[in-house]
Amino acid sequence: ETGVTQTPRHLVMGMTNKKSLKCEQHLGHNAMYWYKQSAKKPLELMFVYSLEERVENNSVPSRFSPECPNSSHLFLHLHTLQPEDSALYLCASSQDLGGTGELFFGEGSRLTVL
Amino acid sequence: GQNIDQPTEMTATEGAIVQINCTYQTSGFNGLFWYQQHAGEAPTFLSYNVLDGLEEKGRFSSFLSRSKGYSYLLLKELQMKDSASYLCAVMDSNYQLIWGAGTKLIIKP
Repeated sequence: ETGVTQTPRHLVMGMTNKKSLKCEQHLGHNAMYWYKQSAKKPLELMFVYSLEERVENNSVPSRFSPECPNSSHLFLHLHTLQPEDSALYLCASSQDLGGTGELFFGEGSRLTVL
Repeated sequence: GQNIDQPTEMTATEGAIVQINCTYQTSGFNGLFWYQQHAGEAPTFLSYNVLDGLEEKGRFSSFLSRSKGYSYLLLKELQMKDSASYLCAVMDSNYQLIWGAGTKLIIKP
């Protein structure tokens, strides 16, 4: 079992649907992240949480809404998405925020918006 | 602006050596990371350099020159399982990670 688990692995949704991506980390880390990965583009940081408090929102459209109920779980709620939002959404965690420790990634949720 | 440049794709032969370059321009520097990502899988940490020089870890080595804004990842004795994307990332003065677009490495028998 990996340290960071994401569900679902694949999701297809229409532009009017509402869905959620879930991330769970079993590493006892204090910081969690949502990244968007599109083909041939750098990873885009979307949201950062440290000790369940959001500390970063990189100008992400409001159709993406994060939730961090505790230090082990992170959600990304999706509604009225656009086709250009189709991408791989990666969750990651690190021991602390702002340090030089490595990130531990989940395997991602592949999202297709029709 | 901040940017990381690395080749989009490289091809190498099984058993050979390949060097993947990464150049960066960032606001400050708090270290450079290399990650490996197999298709459909999570990126996994390979190396971290914060001082100039070469760090060796088995078949993989990573080099850093801060004055040149340059790093490379060296893979020796290539195996088919090394076919993956290799992501370069720099931590800037605000401890934000700036990512390259990744280099897809194709290993041929």
